[in-house]
Amino acid sequence: DTEVTQTPKHLVMGMTNKKSLKCEQHMGHRAMYWYKQKAKKPPELMFVYSYEKLSINESVPSRFSPECPNSSLLNLHLHALQPEDSALYLCASSQGNGLGTGRDGYTFGSGTRLTVV
Amino acid sequence: QQQVKQSPQSLIVQKGGISIINCAYENTAFDYFPWYQQFPGKGPALLIAIRPDVSEKKEGRFTISFNKSAKQFSLHIMDSQPGDSATYFCAASFVGDYKLSFGAGTTVTVRA
Repeated sequence: DTEVTQTPKHLVMGMTNKKSLKCEQHMGHRAMYWYKQKAKKPPELMFVYSYEKLSINESVPSRFSPECPNSSLLNLHLHALQPEDSALYLCASSQGNGLGTGRDGYTFGSGTRLTVV
Repeated sequence: QQQVKQSPQSLIVQKGGISIINCAYENTAFDYFPWYQQFPGKGPALLIAIRPDVSEKKEGRFTISFNKSAKQFSLHIMDSQPGDSATYFCAASFVGDYKLSFGAGTTVTVRA
């Protein structure tokens, strides 16, 4: 299995809703990531988990809350989002063994298209 | 501040032609330079990657050329096909930093 699977593919939520995005990989990767991508822009890093611990938070607003329940799963909990948070949310994973090859196998999922109304 | 600068923003090429996308970087600590291909509604997919100890890497119709002294690298798509129409991102990272610094992206359109 060489895929990163994200669910749901599409999500529409109101500004008062709570929802979660899910990401799963079975490649044995130890680093997992959340990226946000706006139309016609490159992905922007939000969070990095290394060995199931949060290692990087790119100053993301607290209405986005990541969680890594185990080495294969990554969640992004959403609460009180704003319309400007509408975007494609991408999950990615890489080997993450910290020995210079941590970037190897960097694989993105197909993303969740989020619309906040 | 964008650490990787990519050009052109878009390009149109005829089927069978060559597409060339250029990227430049400033951080000499970068040691890993991947290219990603992204179709509408999909996530970026790794196309080809190079490390600075190699000046050129070829995989099928895709070639990365790397110029360490100029701090530039480029993607050449030979014999471009309509199925190559996509957005291409160059990126860079360095040891100990799992973050990918992306270029702004190039939208390639291959006309049949």
